[in-house]
Amino acid sequence: GQNIDQPTEMTATEGAIVQINCTYQTSGFNGLFWYQQHAGEAPTFLSYNVLDGLEEKGRFSSFLSRSKGYSYLLLKELQMKDSASYLCAAYYGQNFVFGPGTRLSVLP
Amino acid sequence: GAGVSQSPSNKVTEKGKDVELRCDPISGHTALYWYRQSLGQGLEFLIYFQGNSAPDKSGLPSDRFSAERTGGSVSTLTIQRTQQEDSAVYLCASSSRGPYFEETQYFGPGTRLLVL
Repeated sequence: GQNIDQPTEMTATEGAIVQINCTYQTSGFNGLFWYQQHAGEAPTFLSYNVLDGLEEKGRFSSFLSRSKGYSYLLLKELQMKDSASYLCAAYYGQNFVFGPGTRLSVLP
Repeated sequence: GAGVSQSPSNKVTEKGKDVELRCDPISGHTALYWYRQSLGQGLEFLIYFQGNSAPDKSGLPSDRFSAERTGGSVSTLTIQRTQQEDSAVYLCASSSRGPYFEETQYFGPGTRLLVL
């Protein structure tokens, strides 16, 4: 199967930096998505990495290493509103495989 | 500027009935995706349409599920002979060109399906 692994829960402090890791199987891999989902709401697209390297979008950055089957989402200057689940998903041909999601709690 | 819309927003049905869920993507978007999310669970990919091309149906959970996209725009997801395990939020998303491009996917608000 095409398993996606990410931590199920993380806690961080307001103003801090947090890195959420995601590993995936590389065979047939095309790209890696990150989504944010607040409780009771639809997901919001954050990023999509196809090439190796770091892509920065404001306080959020996403990194991909295709050879290692590894990605991370970096959140800087954490705010209380960043408390949410962060979903990692790998795109394989016509199929998307989602990880279980990482529930991030930002504490004051 | 309309976003992705889905209807109905909520649907309660009896086990064994058929249901039809609708998705209107953003105008001009060629890619359309269906996902579902059971209570407290992660997202599960169902099917993806790219323009008028025939989709890969292997992600659909059973042969009771079918999806079509007419004219490269509106899509319907049909569940026949619904079962209680079909209860979930069904989410639709669209993007301009498709997942080979680094571009934003836009999600609709979802249809909450409850099978009694």
